[in-house]
Amino acid sequence: SAVISQKPSRDICQRGTSLTIQCQVDSQVTMMFWYRQQPGQSLTLIATANQGSEATYESGFVIDKFPISRPNLTFSTLTVSNMSPEDSSIYLCSVLTGSYEQYFGPGTRLTVT
Amino acid sequence: AQTVTQSQPEMSVQEAETVTLSCTYDTSESDYYLFWYKQPPSRQMILVIRQEAYKQQNATENRFSVNFQKAAKSFSLKISDSQLGDAAMYFCAYRSAHLPNDKLIFGTGTRLQVFP
Repeated sequence: SAVISQKPSRDICQRGTSLTIQCQVDSQVTMMFWYRQQPGQSLTLIATANQGSEATYESGFVIDKFPISRPNLTFSTLTVSNMSPEDSSIYLCSVLTGSYEQYFGPGTRLTVT
Repeated sequence: AQTVTQSQPEMSVQEAETVTLSCTYDTSESDYYLFWYKQPPSRQMILVIRQEAYKQQNATENRFSVNFQKAAKSFSLKISDSQLGDAAMYFCAYRSAHLPNDKLIFGTGTRLQVFP
């Protein structure tokens, strides 16, 4: 398994500002992912954070809006840029282990006013 | 494209009883993995159980077991001796064993209530 921490756990932000969410895992992992979970809904994959190269974004998500960094095998950040109320969601970091199991961080609850 | 369907938005069970949550999926692949995740109100996603498609034997983890029907593309979760702490959203998920499609695909979730 993997132990994943996220910072901040929650935040309230003003429209037009940006927030950077940090994800730290307790062991080196090859694949890290960022998900969004809108209120009462399932999880949607935003992007795969690749170490040493640009993130791979899913359809509907772009780098300008959700820039991602992955400086090493245990850490990644997701920035939500130029926020609007529609960005209010839970953002979850996730990692894939060698046993093909995927574990999730505790999530960051973002509210945009 | 693969899809995962959970047709029960909400389920309820009495404490100590057994409940089964349904999940069906659609895929043309033969190698894949299936998972059940639990998300309590704390919002932490917890891996409950996994099943490899090549294994005929149903996975079991303590009070949690699955009924995997590969031909029917069905993957239900049975919770025995339900406890109050089992109350949560349960998500069924699929992962292909083949690159580059090896992304976790989630169903829409089933909210489980447990009554004392």
